[in-house]
Amino acid sequence: GQQVMQIPQYQHVQEGEDFTTYCNSSTTLSNIQWYKQRPGGHPVFLIQLVKSGEVKKQKRLTFQFGEAKKNSSLHITATQTTDVGTYFCAGLSGNTPLVFGKGTRLSVIA
Amino acid sequence: DGGITQSPKYLFRKEGQNVTLSCEQNLNHDAMYWYRQDPGQGLRLIYYSQIVNDFQKGDIAEGYSVSREKKESFPLTVTSAQKNPTAFYLCASRSVANTGELFFGEGSRLTVL
Repeated sequence: GQQVMQIPQYQHVQEGEDFTTYCNSSTTLSNIQWYKQRPGGHPVFLIQLVKSGEVKKQKRLTFQFGEAKKNSSLHITATQTTDVGTYFCAGLSGNTPLVFGKGTRLSVIA
Repeated sequence: DGGITQSPKYLFRKEGQNVTLSCEQNLNHDAMYWYRQDPGQGLRLIYYSQIVNDFQKGDIAEGYSVSREKKESFPLTVTSAQKNPTAFYLCASRSVANTGELFFGEGSRLTVL
C-alpha cells in the first residue's frame, strides 16, 4: 500500500536557526497536507498543496510540493520557541484516505 | 462553537475490558476518522466513515469496532481482542471524504493496566 516517509524523526535547533523536514511518498499524490501538533495537543492543519512544483509561504514557513508530486518539504526560517512541536505530512492518492508520515519532532533551544 | 468533542480525555481500564471512546462533531461533516498515535509511530488509521451507516477498516482495524448511526457521532470500541490498546486515540472529521483539511478532536488517552 501507499507509504509516506518523513525525515528526520527528530531535530534539535538553536533558536534562530532554520529547520527543514522532508516527506517522500511511494506513489504519486493528488495532494499533500501538513499538520502541526504541539506537545500534549492534537494535530492542526497548516496547509494543502495540490499542484506540481507548488510553493506556498506562511510567514516564516515555506511549503514545497515536488515536480513529480511524490515529495514535499516544510522549511522554517529563523525558528522560534513557538515552533516547537511535531510536524506531519499527509498524502492523498486516489480514493484512499490520507496517509500520514511518522512526523518530525522539532525542539528549539532558546 | 463548532468542533469535535472527544470523551473521556483520560481513561484507565483493566486488561480484558471493552472500552468505548466517544467522538461527536457539530461541523456537519460527512466523513469521520479514528487514528491511533503511539510515540514515534505517527498517526495510524483505525476506521473511517464517509457517510452515515457506512464505515471501512483502516490499516490497524483488528481489535476495534465502530458505528455510524448518526452523522454527528462516530464512537470507537476498543475490544479485549486488541493486544496492545494503551495509546492516544484521535478522532477527526472533514467536510467531504478525500478532500480538504482534517479537523481533530483533543484526543483520548487510554491506559490499560
